[in-house]
Amino acid sequence: GNSVTQMEGPVTLSEEAFLTINCTYTATGYPSLFWYVQYPGEGLQLLLKATKADDKGSNKGFEATYRKETTSFHLEKGSVQVSDSAVYFCALKSSNTGKLIFGQGTTLQVKP
Amino acid sequence: EAGVAQSPRYKIIEKRQSVAFWCNPISGHATLYWYQQILGQGPKLLIQFQNNGVVDDSQLPKDRFSAERLKGVDSTLKIQPAKLEDSAVYLCASSFGLPQMNTEAFFGQGTRLTVV
Repeated sequence: GNSVTQMEGPVTLSEEAFLTINCTYTATGYPSLFWYVQYPGEGLQLLLKATKADDKGSNKGFEATYRKETTSFHLEKGSVQVSDSAVYFCALKSSNTGKLIFGQGTTLQVKP
Repeated sequence: EAGVAQSPRYKIIEKRQSVAFWCNPISGHATLYWYQQILGQGPKLLIQFQNNGVVDDSQLPKDRFSAERLKGVDSTLKIQPAKLEDSAVYLCASSFGLPQMNTEAFFGQGTRLTVV
């Protein structure tokens, strides 16, 4: 079946550092890919998405490119801020059933 | 636009008791999901509805969990009887259109269940 694997955390960075959070997936068909973020004390919210191969999703300085050849959707940001501290989830939506599954989450802590 | 509404926000029950959670999705959203999120883990899909029909319930522990969406709008998730390992946050989400469409899901704030 479909699955999503994220790099283990926590990831601790200094402000203005470069961020990469790795995400790989296994899926049949042509899934859509998402990054969701959960800030402390808040609910899950969509950060960005990509719906087909080579699409790049972007929002709030974050980017991720849908790479079908490597089955990856890594999240990047050029310069993180303290306010980016949160848990990030990679997710996959099946093109056949609409089933939406998540990775285990990666905690990011940004220090001033 | 109103978001996904869930209630209650918090619930504490003793093991072997029963509990129910309610979700009202965004108006017009045909697809509704229920997830269980144990502390430190990613959300685990329990059940997915398309209108009032079940699309996927392969990970729903059917001996104790049940869910319904009778009129294709709001939904109820029930646990009976609860076990200690059911302590988690229960998340409801909804998305627009057919399940196969590439639309994103919108999440409610969740219900935090503690079983003692």
